[in-house]
Amino acid sequence: DAGVTQSPTHLIKTRGQQVTLRCSPKSGHDTVSWYQQALGQGPQFIFQYYEEEERQRGNFPDRFSGHQFPNYSSELNVNALLLGDSALYLCASSLVQVDEQFFGPGTRLTVL
Amino acid sequence: SQQGEEDPQALSIQEGENATMNCSYKTSINNLQWYRQNSGRGLVHLILIRSNEREKHSGRLRVTLDTSKKSSSLLITASRAADTASYFCATDPYGGSQGNLIFGKGTKLSVKP
Repeated sequence: DAGVTQSPTHLIKTRGQQVTLRCSPKSGHDTVSWYQQALGQGPQFIFQYYEEEERQRGNFPDRFSGHQFPNYSSELNVNALLLGDSALYLCASSLVQVDEQFFGPGTRLTVL
Repeated sequence: SQQGEEDPQALSIQEGENATMNCSYKTSINNLQWYRQNSGRGLVHLILIRSNEREKHSGRLRVTLDTSKKSSSLLITASRAADTASYFCATDPYGGSQGNLIFGKGTKLSVKP
């Protein structure tokens, strides 16, 4: 049973560019959440998708957007990249009404 | 914004010793979860304790929760070098995976052989 997978593992972009990160949830899970983890900090909640809709959103600008597909996989898009967007982006999947969230290995984004 | 505050920020112990990490938070919770992270990789779920529970055990892990003090502690007994990692507490205000786990900054644990 595959756990949560994310791609790519690492990514280097320049300021102003756009990036798309991908996440496949654990088998049987229907909810995907995205978190940003800056170096030396704890993860911060970006948003959550359930039934292909954004269900909750953290304190992130509109440059951060997402999508969930019918197979429950998800994408995180970041437009107009800033140096401060450099971070580890973590995807977590869960089953609605169940408390535990399972995290993927993350995508390390570096913005130059 | 980050709600949880782990204490200490860093902890260095010898193999076989016990490690205790504390977490304080600010608002009401449905549950509190502890995660481990190795070298900036993904988070591994360790244990979940609900707001109506006071103590929970899982193998060498013991978690306590004091909702009146808005604090939790994680005890790792008989530590091993493989326990070297960063440990985070995360509070869940709503439960039911309604998103929005709120993490602290973590405690960096180093276990020396």
